[in-house]
Amino acid sequence: EVQLMESGGGLVQPGRSLRLSCAASGFTFDNYDMHWVRQAPGKGLEWVSGINWNSGSIGYADSVKGRFTISRDNAKKSLYLQMNSVRGDDTAFYYCAKDIRERGSGVYYDAFDIWGQGTMVSVSS
Amino acid sequence: DIQMTQSPSSLSASVGDRVTITCRASQSISSYLNWYQQRPGKAPELLIYAASSLQGGVPSRFSGGGSGADFTLTITSLQPEDFATYYCQQTYSSPYTFGQGTKLEIK
Repeated sequence: EVQLMESGGGLVQPGRSLRLSCAASGFTFDNYDMHWVRQAPGKGLEWVSGINWNSGSIGYADSVKGRFTISRDNAKKSLYLQMNSVRGDDTAFYYCAKDIRERGSGVYYDAFDIWGQGTMVSVSS
Repeated sequence: DIQMTQSPSSLSASVGDRVTITCRASQSISSYLNWYQQRPGKAPELLIYAASSLQGGVPSRFSGGGSGADFTLTITSLQPEDFATYYCQQTYSSPYTFGQGTKLEIK
């Protein structure tokens, strides 16, 4: 079964750091781009960051650029989000998501076809 | 950044109705448009990708259309499990922005 499982969320003070992890199973992890998406309580979805299969291409939302760092370890089938200098508006459920586009498939569009269950990050003093 | 605007923000309908949700991009995004469904307390699920391609396992009562800057999601013959929030997303260029969501409620 294709599965993503996030961990590492919790309560963190403003200005501190937190590292989220996402463990993948059931698919060839290093064939796919991966993403982080967040959702503040009662709000909509916000794409946070994405990374291609070999970490050669990375993107960030303006709201987290310079503070968050996405990375992956293909040997461990894991995706990470290092969150530094967190702020109150970073409070959200954080989801990792798999891209539908498989490396070498010739498919040219991106979409997020598998999502984890999410991990909650609360920023408060 | 490309802005995505959905309408309406909320919608009331009955089981068996046909509903259409629209999504407009602030510039042309070709067909790089996806639709997701999110039920309360759950992660989003992919319904439609590349504007009109139905994701595997999604019922055929869901369909997507449009290209350029204007897109639609249509649900024919609403079922009880369809009452949820729907989001469009563009993947034409980073950052991959979402619409604000459309909440579909039971009338």
